[in-house]
Amino acid sequence: SAVISQKPSRDICQRGTSLTIQCQVDSQVTMMFWYRQQPGQSLTLIATANQGSEATYESGFVIDKFPISRPNLTFSTLTVSNMSPEDSSIYLCSDGGRSSYNSPLHFGNGTRLTVT
Amino acid sequence: AQRVTQPEKLLSVFKGAPVELKCNYSYSGSPELFWYVQYSRQRLQLLLRHISRESIKGFTADLNKGETSFHLKKPFAQEEDSAMYYCALSEWGNQGGKLIFGQGTELSVKP
Repeated sequence: SAVISQKPSRDICQRGTSLTIQCQVDSQVTMMFWYRQQPGQSLTLIATANQGSEATYESGFVIDKFPISRPNLTFSTLTVSNMSPEDSSIYLCSDGGRSSYNSPLHFGNGTRLTVT
Repeated sequence: AQRVTQPEKLLSVFKGAPVELKCNYSYSGSPELFWYVQYSRQRLQLLLRHISRESIKGFTADLNKGETSFHLKKPFAQEEDSAMYYCALSEWGNQGGKLIFGQGTELSVKP
């Protein structure tokens, strides 16, 4: 089955700094997705990362705060910029499914971010 | 607006009892529905999707378009079924990979 490696698995960061999260997929996929799971909440899509074009952000998320890179079909990064305690969450990446339905099926292990 | 609702935050049953985790959705198009499961200290993983009509680990889910529901069922719960369960909806089309998640239901199966 597909493997998605995500790192770091956790980090504790100071307010005002930035953290870049990496997501590596074991085979080429068209789309990759970044989600946020705030404490006690469900998963919310941040953005869709497409190779060769800018990421598409969901309402409430902006590129300046969450810049995304997608340099090739197996890799993406999400940066959480100018962090505040409200950014403390689990951040997950997923792949765009490898079937014709083009739906995400696999998730990374998540990055547990704590901002102090 | 698209929405997925899981009305129960916590569902507690005894081993061997039937389980039904409820999921209702609101979507104007033709959605694809999923159930994801997250066991303790493990990553989120796909349990089943409506399009495949499979039974995974004894769980089944039927899409009821009239009631806009996709409830997850298992006739006899096992302790190892204890986990967090998320119902999710995916849109078709160019951005068809996006998932909209419900709030999740924690299933606790007691011995």
